[in-house]
Amino acid sequence: GAVVSQHPSRVICKSGTSVKIECRSLDFQATTMFWYRQFPKQSLMLMATSNEGSKATYEQGVEKDKFLINHASLTLSTLTVTSAHPEDSSFYICSAFGPQPGRSSGNTIYFGEGSWLTVV
Amino acid sequence: GIQVEQSPPDLILQEGANSTLRCNFSDSVNNLQWFHQNPWGQLINLFYIPSGTKQNGRLSATTVATERYSLFYISSSQTTDSGVYFCAALSGSARQLTFGSGTQLTVLP
Repeated sequence: GAVVSQHPSRVICKSGTSVKIECRSLDFQATTMFWYRQFPKQSLMLMATSNEGSKATYEQGVEKDKFLINHASLTLSTLTVTSAHPEDSSFYICSAFGPQPGRSSGNTIYFGEGSWLTVV
Repeated sequence: GIQVEQSPPDLILQEGANSTLRCNFSDSVNNLQWFHQNPWGQLINLFYIPSGTKQNGRLSATTVATERYSLFYISSSQTTDSGVYFCAALSGSARQLTFGSGTQLTVLP
């Protein structure tokens, strides 16, 4: 079935540095991917919609210069947290629409495994 | 945009018990999904259910689209069922899911 893979699963970085998180669709093409952020004991909040070949669409309140999104191909979107600060520490997860298993039409959403970011 | 509300926020079960989680949404939906987030953060897609009823082993879900709610059933709960259960909805021309606040389920041995 369709799989979305995210890497790295855990990363620790120093304040002021940048860190890149990759999201890949392994056996389907995804023109659109989504990036979510989750704080402890809270729901997932959509950060941005990543569009292949064009600029990402950011949700209100998300700094686009801080959270750089690049969707360079139909199978890869990257999220770069620039000049990271401790308050950026969070769980980041990507998703993409892919084919429903066992069906010839229709899509369902698949999530990556998520990435735990700790900024020290 | 669409509003998604889940209840209860927290649920503690004894192993073997049955329970029902509820998801209310404020608008008609094109897509309604139930996810399980395990303690490591991984989201598992359980059901794609914009309407009707589906069952997968001990788990099942029913969405009554006309009344704008979905129910998720766990029977004979196991400790491995513990985690957070989210419902998420997609409505209108939106391309992204809106998540409910989740139900934190703890199944005690």
